[in-house]
Amino acid sequence: DIQMTQSPSSLSASVGDRVTITCRASQSITTYLNWYQQKPGKAPNLLIYGASSLQSGVPSRFSGSGSGTDFTLTISSLQPEDFATYYCQQTYSTPRVTFGPGTKVDIK
Amino acid sequence: EVQLVESGGGLVQPGRSLRLSCAASGFIFDDYAMHWVRQAPGKGLEWVSGISWDSGSMGYADSVKGRFTISRDNAKNSLYLQMYSLRAEDTALYFCAKVGCSGASCYDHWGQGTPVTVSS
Repeated sequence: DIQMTQSPSSLSASVGDRVTITCRASQSITTYLNWYQQKPGKAPNLLIYGASSLQSGVPSRFSGSGSGTDFTLTISSLQPEDFATYYCQQTYSTPRVTFGPGTKVDIK
Repeated sequence: EVQLVESGGGLVQPGRSLRLSCAASGFIFDDYAMHWVRQAPGKGLEWVSGISWDSGSMGYADSVKGRFTISRDNAKNSLYLQMYSLRAEDTALYFCAKVGCSGASCYDHWGQGTPVTVSS
């Protein structure tokens, strides 16, 4: 199975900060990489698919980049509603998809 | 509006069975693959199982292979997960998810989840 890692596992940031989260795959997954946001008690919400495509309705402050094994989610200016946990997901080996362990973003 | 509504969760003793359902609406159900994902309390997301639009292809996580069976009824716009020989480690919130994003493959819609607790 393809293993996914994320760094950092958690971070503290302030409103207005630029935030970057990294995701790494154990083998090349080309651009089969998605990012989700999850708030406590809620289902995950798709932010980015195909490594860099913004899901409809998602604010443009979210962006994704990368290919192969290394990927990045960037929030250009953190807003109060962005405090949540973020997961990357590889779908290269669909249906056997795997998620990263998550990155919790909280308030500094 | 796409809606996915899970049901069937609950408290069950180890070794017993449970059947989860996911009722879909707002899209052409038999055009899309569907998956189950779970989240243990305080933990991350774990893929459980997936099924193609026509039930021709199914996959399972190693942790549930041989114990869980995924199925769908396109006439009823419904997805199912039959769980046998449940273990304490199967305790989780179970989500159904619609596979979208065309060739990129993603979960573009999720249900709210149904909780499963395996305990004596």
